[in-house]
Amino acid sequence: VQLQESGPGLMRPSGTLSLTCAVSGVSITNSNWWTWVRQAPGKGLEWIGQIYHTGSFDYNPSLRSRVTISLDKSKNQFSLNLTSVTAADTAVYYCARKYLWTYFFDNWGRGTLVTVSS
Amino acid sequence: QSALTQPASVSGSPGQSITISCTGTSSDVGGNNYVSWYQQHSGGAPQVLIYDVSDRPSGVSNRFSGSKSGNTASLTISGLQGEDEADYFCSSYTSSSTHVFGTGTKVTVL
Repeated sequence: VQLQESGPGLMRPSGTLSLTCAVSGVSITNSNWWTWVRQAPGKGLEWIGQIYHTGSFDYNPSLRSRVTISLDKSKNQFSLNLTSVTAADTAVYYCARKYLWTYFFDNWGRGTLVTVSS
Repeated sequence: QSALTQPASVSGSPGQSITISCTGTSSDVGGNNYVSWYQQHSGGAPQVLIYDVSDRPSGVSNRFSGSKSGNTASLTISGLQGEDEADYFCSSYTSSSTHVFGTGTKVTVL
């Protein structure tokens, strides 16, 4: 299983961050939860949310009002949308896989840095 | 949800054992057996070391072990080696069906 994030790199405050995670080696319709995690520079990991192929999802309560995670089954990828971004959203964003009925992340992408700056 | 609490740094000499703590609440660490630990080398992605408190994925050295007591989980690294110098994060599933990570611990090999 391989995951590869892609995103804008640099964006302006108040905009909407859109990231994509391309999945290879397994279908996203298999028994996996697809997850986003971020890490601000020099800081710890922050769980953003997850989605299952049925469309079930869970979000971090602190981000819930701004986050949407979605699936594109035709492209075998999933996406993250984060609205009204500020400098505090500057981070490396990782996508990861969690197998159904497990509670840990066994496959991670390499991460993509998103910088929010005017 | 608040991040789980870890010491900012832990150090040890080669060959020694060190332990990293991870303190949460009864809504996360203390409420289930779904604590995992991740190692992150500088500039790299996290990699799982321990899951379900004390289980190791295949390929992970048996020098890494995990345990839990009440609201605090622990990761022990035995026979410390230079390659163990990295950041370590704990994570727990929560009663709200979410996940929460620890604040992270930088391990230095003296």
